[in-house]
Amino acid sequence: AQSVTQPDIHITVSEGASLELRCNYSYGATPYLFWYVQSPGQGLQLLLKYFSGDTLVQGIKGFEAEFKRSQSSFNLRKPSVHWSDAAEYFCAVGAPGAGSYQLTFGKGTKLSVIP
Amino acid sequence: GAGVSQSPSNKVTEKGKDVELRCDPISGHTALYWYRQSLGQGLEFLIYFQGNSAPDKSGLPSDRFSAERTGGSVSTLTIQRTQQEDSAVYLCASSFSPGLNTGELFFGEGSRLTVL
Repeated sequence: AQSVTQPDIHITVSEGASLELRCNYSYGATPYLFWYVQSPGQGLQLLLKYFSGDTLVQGIKGFEAEFKRSQSSFNLRKPSVHWSDAAEYFCAVGAPGAGSYQLTFGKGTKLSVIP
Repeated sequence: GAGVSQSPSNKVTEKGKDVELRCDPISGHTALYWYRQSLGQGLEFLIYFQGNSAPDKSGLPSDRFSAERTGGSVSTLTIQRTQQEDSAVYLCASSFSPGLNTGELFFGEGSRLTVL
């Protein structure tokens, strides 16, 4: 069975500082990988996704993530955090292949931003 | 509407009562999902509908939970004889295409259920 671990429950950074949110997964092959963001009172929004190919993927709002097969990781990064980035971030995996539809989510990392 | 709409946004009920949660997906989206988000937990898959195919109910935690999707559009998640452990945010999502690699999931804002 696949699983996702987000080791950091809560991270606080200063506005303008860089950010890295960690995500490790357990799966027998390379899964589909996703990062979602949930702002207070909002639904989840897709930030970026990885299926195959280039291991560095760009997403919305200036976020990027790097897939590292050797470390079973898909960490999310942003070079300069804005106050509006304060939210909860979820990493998710899905089985690769046509017709795959179910996501397995991590428990999330809450990001606080100090002005 | 422009996005996935869920109602009610908040529901407080007494233990043992039945509740119904509604999801109105984005028009034209054939795939519809229900997930549950408990405090401090990630999202837990509950059920998946795709077109006229039989739904995947493998994530429903007990037979007190059921869901239907009428006319390929609106979906209702019903919890019978609610228990305190059912307290959670129930999220609905829809997608234009059934596969993770072909369609993006769009989530509603959720229905927060509190069972006293």
